[in-house]
Amino acid sequence: GAGVSQSPSNKVTEKGKDVELRCDPISGHTALYWYRQSLGQGLEFLIYFQGNSAPDKSGLPSDRFSAERTGGSVSTLTIQRTQQEDSAVYLCASSFGRSSLQETQYFGPGTRLLVL
Amino acid sequence: GDSVTQMEGPVTLSEEAFLTINCTYTATGYPSLFWYVQYPGEGLQLLLKATKADDKGSNKGFEATYRKETTSFHLEKGSVQVSDSAVYFCARLDTGRRALTFGSGTRLQVQP
Repeated sequence: GAGVSQSPSNKVTEKGKDVELRCDPISGHTALYWYRQSLGQGLEFLIYFQGNSAPDKSGLPSDRFSAERTGGSVSTLTIQRTQQEDSAVYLCASSFGRSSLQETQYFGPGTRLLVL
Repeated sequence: GDSVTQMEGPVTLSEEAFLTINCTYTATGYPSLFWYVQYPGEGLQLLLKATKADDKGSNKGFEATYRKETTSFHLEKGSVQVSDSAVYFCARLDTGRRALTFGSGTRLQVQP
């Protein structure tokens, strides 16, 4: 597609359940990023993929959070045993992934997660 | 650690007023600097960027100059429109990392 797409756009779940959030990056982009936007913490980096590997997972807040990327394209962010503090908008971004570190990251519309 | 500080909002202006949104960063290394905008109900969009000192980024009438001496990247527009109402985020990208570090965001409200 023309831009980064994410699904679902909204997700309501009960505390303790697992959720999966999906990101489809811009075609040809080898780098993929997950961020979280919450009222208390602002915009925070979670994890970065180059191809299918994740050289930087430093932002994942706990071991309940994991992410994978297959085929160098679609990525899934999984939150296990969700807690109310996980409620946030989860943003995905992608970039070309060239050696230059100054390239632009393009963001998707986000998945709004509400944990009841 | 590396950080970005933005002025608190909301900023409320009348149409055609001059806009400045302040952004400063901690002076660690030589980051690239960005302004992203989030319109109501939409995702983050890149507004402009600058990759080295004294660079000026510009787009849609907005400008920001990378000032190393004051560690600043203030966003300016000479004449705002109602359609500019949005949340503006300043961000840095540090050498050796891929993660953007964002400021807290500044909400701009432009009244007709």
